[in-house]
This record gives sequence, structure tokens and C-alpha cells, in this order.
Amino acid sequence: DAKTTQPTSMDCAEGRAANLPCNHSTISGNEYVYWYRQIHSQGPQYIIHGLKNNETNEMASLIITEDRKSSTLILPHATLRDTAVYYCIVRPPLGQGGSEKLVFGKGMKLTVNP
Amino acid sequence: DGGITQSPKYLFRKEGQNVTLSCEQNLNHDAMYWYRQDPGQGLRLIYYSQIVNDFQKGDIAEGYSVSREKKESFPLTVTSAQKNPTAFYLCASSITRSSNQPQHFGDGTRLSIL
Repeated sequence: DAKTTQPTSMDCAEGRAANLPCNHSTISGNEYVYWYRQIHSQGPQYIIHGLKNNETNEMASLIITEDRKSSTLILPHATLRDTAVYYCIVRPPLGQGGSEKLVFGKGMKLTVNP
Repeated sequence: DGGITQSPKYLFRKEGQNVTLSCEQNLNHDAMYWYRQDPGQGLRLIYYSQIVNDFQKGDIAEGYSVSREKKESFPLTVTSAQKNPTAFYLCASSITRSSNQPQHFGDGTRLSIL
């Protein structure tokens, strides 16, 4: 079962920052937060992951609250190609709850509008 | 470019026929995975392998078989015992199976029954 809660959908204007929220109130101290996205008929694309600290890479930034019960994925300048279903995933450590697999929930549809 | 290549993109199977889906990676990753995605649903793990000549069943291994004779290759055979094989099949790989290592996906193979 997915351990995260995301809005069903969100719209964003092209060129603006897209802030995608995720709640994971039951997260354990050693579980990672992962973000993936999937464009229709393609494989999921890894975006970013983190444990406690905020993370940034060339695609996005991940802000994790101090209590780790929620996080926000930030796409700093959304483009039309960012339209996709975004998945927030909590991943347990190896040997605890099956970290081999990624458990994708329903995700959130982000639509970037011109 | 380094990446994961799945072939073919579309595959059709006749009743009672076995088919093999190809997955090749040139990322020098130790761990490889096979997932199945049905419309409107999340991914379900079929098999995974953390090292050459070793693999483990996932949540829905019945009706499927795999081999890992080479580090870069992890083919999946959908046997006639799989009664509902129509789905989108995704192959992934990661440096190791540690929860701190992201899984990277190929673009999938869509299997349909004739």
C-alpha cells in the first residue's frame, strides 16, 4: 500500500514554478522520499530523492519538512514537457518492508498550460 | 548514451504461446527489476535480480520466468501459464538494491493478446 497522499491534479502556468505537495505522515526515520514522473506510454522517470535534508538537482528541488511528515517537489520553471503524472514514494530500508520494489500510488496529474 | 533499452515496444502474443521481452542496460548496474503496469494502476514487481545468476520472485511471479546470465541483460519470458498477460511491462535497474539508490526505467513493452 502506498504510504503517501497527493492531490489528484494540479495546473501550472508555463514558466512559473510548480510546487507539488506530498503527505507522508507515517514515514519512519530511515525511509527515503522518492519522486518519479510518468508521461503517457513511457516508463517512469526518476526525478529526485532525499532522507532529511533538502535536495536539488538539475531537474528539481525537494523540500522535506523538519518533522518529515510532508515534502514538496519544486519544478522551478515549468514547461509544457513537464506535463505528466508525478509520484511521491516512501521507500523502506533494505530488508524492511521490501525496499526492492517501488510502490507507486495513484500519483498527481500536473498539467502545464501555455 | 547510457540507459536501459527494452524491446520490442509493442508485442502480440497468441493464446498458448510463450514470449520473451528483452531488457538491456549499459549503466553497469548490479540490480535489475521487472514490473507490470495495468491501466490506471500502480506498478507491481514481477522479478528482481541483484547479481548475475541470481534472481528473486516479486509479488506476481506466477506465469513468468527470468534469467540473468549477463550483468547487462535481464530478459523476461511471459509463459502460457500467465492467464492475463496483457499489460505494460517495465524493466528497471539500479546500482545496487539499496533503498538509497534510485531505480531507472526503460520505456516499456506493451504486450497484447491476439
